[in-house]
Amino acid sequence: AQSVTQLGSHVSVSEGALVLLRCNYSSSVPPYLFWYVQYPNQGLQLLLKYTTGATLVKGINGFEAEFKKSETSFHLTKPSAHMSDAAEYFCAVSDQAGNQFYFGTGTSLTVIP
Amino acid sequence: SAVISQKPSRDICQRGTSLTIQCQVDSQVTMMFWYRQQPGQSLTLIATANQGSEATYESGFVIDKFPISRPNLTFSTLTVSNMSPEDSSIYLCSITRGYTEAFFGQGTRLTVV
Repeated sequence: AQSVTQLGSHVSVSEGALVLLRCNYSSSVPPYLFWYVQYPNQGLQLLLKYTTGATLVKGINGFEAEFKKSETSFHLTKPSAHMSDAAEYFCAVSDQAGNQFYFGTGTSLTVIP
Repeated sequence: SAVISQKPSRDICQRGTSLTIQCQVDSQVTMMFWYRQQPGQSLTLIATANQGSEATYESGFVIDKFPISRPNLTFSTLTVSNMSPEDSSIYLCSITRGYTEAFFGQGTRLTVV
């Protein structure tokens, strides 16, 4: 069975500061891992994903995440926060059949000017 | 990418009534997924809808409360029946493609009064 834990339901950073959103997963099979972003009143948009290969993956809007199997983590980072990054971020894991996605509880990112 | 159209985008309904949410996908897909996102919480899978067969419901969700139709490979509906204020949520339609990515509609924001 798969599950996802996101540490910190709310994160605040100053504009220009590092963004770090934490995600740990549990999976009985090699996982596929995802980060999604949800802007107010919108659906979910894929930021980035890890399936196989390079463990550091780059996504849209300057975000990246590193798959660390030994730590069962897939933390999301961005070197410099922008006001437009304020949103809800969800980490997710799927089985390799892609039949079902399991989402974390989400982290609300606030960017302070 | 995929285009998923959901309607209505939002509705305010009286308790005891039912609302049917429609989901249209721009290409044929085998499985469609319905999620619920309660206020301040993550996404919870309600059911998986396959064309030509009954939907498969997750623990805690039943067909009488959330009947689903899947008449063809591009369309599905979710009905929220006999609504109560506890059903106030965002309901999201989703598909997966290539086993490695989930796409979401913009969601239906339901308020039950």
